[in-house]
Amino acid sequence: AQSVSQHNHHVILSEAASLELGCNYSYGGTVNLFWYVQYPGQHLQLLLKYFSGDPLVKGIKGFEAEFIKSKFSFNLRKPSVQWSDTAEYFCAVNGYTGGFKTIFGAGTRLFVKA
Amino acid sequence: NAGVTQTPKFQVLKTGQSMTLQCAQDMNHNSMYWYRQDPGMGLRLIYYSASEGTTDKGEVPNGYNVSRLNKREFSLRLESAAPSQTSVYFCASIKDKNTEAFFGQGTRLTVV
Repeated sequence: AQSVSQHNHHVILSEAASLELGCNYSYGGTVNLFWYVQYPGQHLQLLLKYFSGDPLVKGIKGFEAEFIKSKFSFNLRKPSVQWSDTAEYFCAVNGYTGGFKTIFGAGTRLFVKA
Repeated sequence: NAGVTQTPKFQVLKTGQSMTLQCAQDMNHNSMYWYRQDPGMGLRLIYYSASEGTTDKGEVPNGYNVSRLNKREFSLRLESAAPSQTSVYFCASIKDKNTEAFFGQGTRLTVV
């Protein structure tokens, strides 16, 4: 069965600290990979996406992610977090297995201390 | 350009009542989805519609039905609400497999 696993459910960092959120997936066939962010009280918004090509993708607000096919991983990184990065982050995978659908991980709540 | 519009934003139901959550998108997207979001469980796919005229079950379809009324609209129905269906529901749409999902603002449903 398709699945997405996020390693950390809660992360607390101080401003200027570096961030890395882990994501592993299990999905047969070709996949597209995404990170979405949900700020408090809002809906999900796209942070970045990988479809093909350079496995290191850059998104908005200084975030980047690296696709490592051999490890089925798509980890999110940011060199220096800000208080405004406090949010919940979701890794997602889509692909075709008897129907085209997107599966999400359980999410990681990030709290950045000012 | 409104994107994905969900109604209502909030709803309280009594156990056993029925209701329909409405979702419409104006981006001419092919695929539409209903998710529920619960603390610590991320977004779980309830039903999806890969194209107009088709619907398929997701991870947690029990207790729900859907209708893809046309390309724009995809409704979610709870026939007999249960407290376990208390959640935040998100509708999303995708143009095709190589694009990201666009989400509605969510419906916070409480079943008492």
